[in-house]
Parts: sequence; structure tokens; C-alpha cells
Amino acid sequence: GNSVTQMEGPVTLSEEAFLTINCTYTATGYPSLFWYVQYPGEGLQLLLKATKADDKGSNKGFEATYRKETTSFHLEKGSVQVSDSAVYFCALRSASNYKLTFGKGTLLTVNP
Amino acid sequence: NAGVTQTPKFRVLKTGQSMTLLCAQDMNHEYMYWYRQDPGMGLRLIHYSVGEGTTAKGEVPDGYNVSRLKKQNFLLGLESAAPSQTSVYFCASSFWQGPPLGYTFGSGTRLTVV
Repeated sequence: GNSVTQMEGPVTLSEEAFLTINCTYTATGYPSLFWYVQYPGEGLQLLLKATKADDKGSNKGFEATYRKETTSFHLEKGSVQVSDSAVYFCALRSASNYKLTFGKGTLLTVNP
Repeated sequence: NAGVTQTPKFRVLKTGQSMTLLCAQDMNHEYMYWYRQDPGMGLRLIHYSVGEGTTAKGEVPDGYNVSRLKKQNFLLGLESAAPSQTSVYFCASSFWQGPPLGYTFGSGTRLTVV
């Protein structure tokens, strides 16, 4: 079955540091890949997505590249801000199954 | 604002009580989902619906029932609440077309069963 593995947190960074959150997946076929963000006390919001190999999703300074050869979709940001503090979820949605499969989430805390 | 609305936002139940969580969406989405979120477990799918009048079990359906009598509403019921059902519940919805579209989530219901 489909599965998503993302790095365990929590991750604590200083403002303006570089962020990487690793995400790897197992799926049949060619899934679409997503990163969702959950700010404290809120629901999940779509951050970015990629639908095919070598696609790069980007939003709000965050980027992730769909790497089929390594089955990965790592999230990166060059300079984090305090306002980026949140839980980040990697997810996939396969072509044959409309349900999203989520990783367990990574808590990011950015200190001033 | 368009989106997914969940009610109530907070609730405390005693063991054995029943309750219904309501999810409403105004985006004409065909698919709707109920997830629970627990520390260290991520999001786990409880039940889902691919259209009005249809429901199906997800990963953790035991102890829950659902109904989708209208396309815009998806109800999650707990017939006899247990402390293990203490969690944050999220509803989500999506269109049916193809994988590239993500979900729209509600803001969650925090349920405590004592």
C-alpha cells in the first residue's frame, strides 16, 4: 500500500536559518505529492504540490522537487521566519486512489 | 468565505454519551472525509464519502458512524464515546477529478472524553 515517511521532529531553528524536512514515499504508479502546513489551532492548508517527476512545487518561499528515482519530496526554505512555526505534513495521492496518505507530521519551531 | 466549516469547535463528553460532529462545505465537492489527529500518529482516515448517499470505512472506523444525506454535509457520529476517542477531528473535502487536486480542510473539532 501507499505510505509516507517524513523526518521526525521537533525541528528547532533560528530565524533566517535554512530548512530541510525530508519526505520519502512508497506508492504504486505515479502519485501526486503534497506538503500541507498546520498553524497552531488551525486546520491543514495546502502549501505546495507536484504532480509528476522533476516537477518543483513552490509557495511562500518553500520549495520541494518530485524525485522519482529516490522517491522523495523534501521540503526546503532558504531563510525561515518565526511565522513559519507550524506542523508540516507530507502527503501523496495516487492515480488509482483519491485518498490522501499523510506522513506523521514534523513540528517546526523558529526562534527569533 | 467559501470552505469547510466544522461544528462544534470544542466539546467535552462523558464516557458513554453520544454526539454528532457536523461538516459543511460550500464548494460543491463530491468527496468528503473525516480524519482524527493524535500526537505522534499524524492524520488517520475514519470514514469517507464519494458522493451524496454513499459512505465507506477508512483506516480507523470502529466506534464511529457517518451519514451524507446532502452533498454539502458530512456527519460523524459517536454512539457511545470512549476515552480513546479523545482527539482532534478534521473534516476535508475535494473534487473527484484526478490526483493533482488537494483537499480543503476544516479548522477542527477538539473532543475530550472523560
